[in-house]
Amino acid sequence: GQQVMQIPQYQHVQEGEDFTTYCNSSTTLSNIQWYKQRPGGHPVFLIQLVKSGEVKKQKRLTFQFGEAKKNSSLHITATQTTDVGTYFCAGPDSNYQLIWGAGTKLIIKP
Amino acid sequence: NAGVTQTPKFRILKIGQSMTLQCAQDMNHNYMYWYRQDPGMGLKLIYYSVGAGITDKGEVPNGYNVSRSTTEDFPLRLELAAPSQTSVYFCASSPLRGPQHFGDGTRLSIL
Repeated sequence: GQQVMQIPQYQHVQEGEDFTTYCNSSTTLSNIQWYKQRPGGHPVFLIQLVKSGEVKKQKRLTFQFGEAKKNSSLHITATQTTDVGTYFCAGPDSNYQLIWGAGTKLIIKP
Repeated sequence: NAGVTQTPKFRILKIGQSMTLQCAQDMNHNYMYWYRQDPGMGLKLIYYSVGAGITDKGEVPNGYNVSRSTTEDFPLRLELAAPSQTSVYFCASSPLRGPQHFGDGTRLSIL
């Protein structure tokens, strides 16, 4: 069945360093969504990308959707402690149900 | 706006007991979902609904049941609780092809 793979599973960074998570789908996606889950919290929607090659920015966060609409990335510039959490990508299947990646946990080194 | 409201927030059950997790949304979304999230893991879809009176199985439906009698409510029923059902349960709702809005979750332990 359709799968969404997300890497890495964890990323440890010093505060101020950059962070990137990558998402790859086994099938072409009509769109891809990104969510953030703070420790002990619930997933919160960040953004949806729809167009091939689309790039969107939210302050220090940059989201990209690949030309083939099978991969995506989230890049955070100069991480801050408020960025801590797990970032999930998700893409719809043929029934419009989201297939979720396993998430990338961003950990800020003390 | 309340958004998606889940009750209870925490619950401890004994093996073999049953319970219903409540979920209500006030955004008039047709789509509603139940997920479980085990520690350190991603989300697994249990059941979903595309509108009142319509439900369908997700990836991990065994041991659970749902109903959708109204647009607002989507309760999840656990019958004969087992330790493997210890998890955090999230309810979510969305418009068609739109982003999902999540409740705060129910942390369930079965001992």
